[in-house]
Amino acid sequence: EAQVTQNPRYLITVTGKKLTVTCSQNMNHEYMSWYRQDPGLGLRQIYYSMNVEVTDKGDVPEGYKVSRKEKRNFPLILESPSPNQTSLYFCASRGVRTGAGYEQFFGPGTRLTVL
Amino acid sequence: GENVEQHPSTLSVQEGDSAVIKCTYSDSASNYFPWYKQELGKGPQLIIDIRSNVGEKKDQRIAVTLNKTAKHFSLHITETQPEDSAVYFCAAIGGSQGNLIFGKGTKLSVKP
Repeated sequence: EAQVTQNPRYLITVTGKKLTVTCSQNMNHEYMSWYRQDPGLGLRQIYYSMNVEVTDKGDVPEGYKVSRKEKRNFPLILESPSPNQTSLYFCASRGVRTGAGYEQFFGPGTRLTVL
Repeated sequence: GENVEQHPSTLSVQEGDSAVIKCTYSDSASNYFPWYKQELGKGPQLIIDIRSNVGEKKDQRIAVTLNKTAKHFSLHITETQPEDSAVYFCAAIGGSQGNLIFGKGTKLSVKP
């Protein structure tokens, strides 16, 4: 089954404790992206990657890091989480080759609470 | 860069009625406009999309219209059912990298 998976689905942590949210896709997509969803603010892009070893900032990158060492994986790293990073996070992927279309597939989400 | 405005933020309709959600975009170069449905506890899922060379697209009870001159596009859901209750997001392609820029979402409630 074609899908984007994220782990963990739920996480409660404390300020300053480093954490990683994993994201994996099995569709051989070049493009991957992270979003955060907050009430009244919609989906805001944190980071994206056009391919392996190529990453770029989105609209709200402060406090986050990403890496793209393999095509299928795109982890989101919070080196020193703060309460304002409490949010619902989504990973997404899509193909970029000619004819792939623009359909973007989303993971199920990770609800993060930073105390 | 691209900016997408979406209205209304909440919409309540009676089962069987129609629902319309409207979006405007700022970048005249944008050429792809998808609509995503997000059910409770799930990630957004594409329900319909339209490209800039088409004015209208229909898929059963849902349709999307695009007015390039006015830079707005709309989602129309006819004969609404309780399972249509969800948050709907419009989006537009923005920038040279083809990133999707999302509206803030519309929470649709369909009352039986």
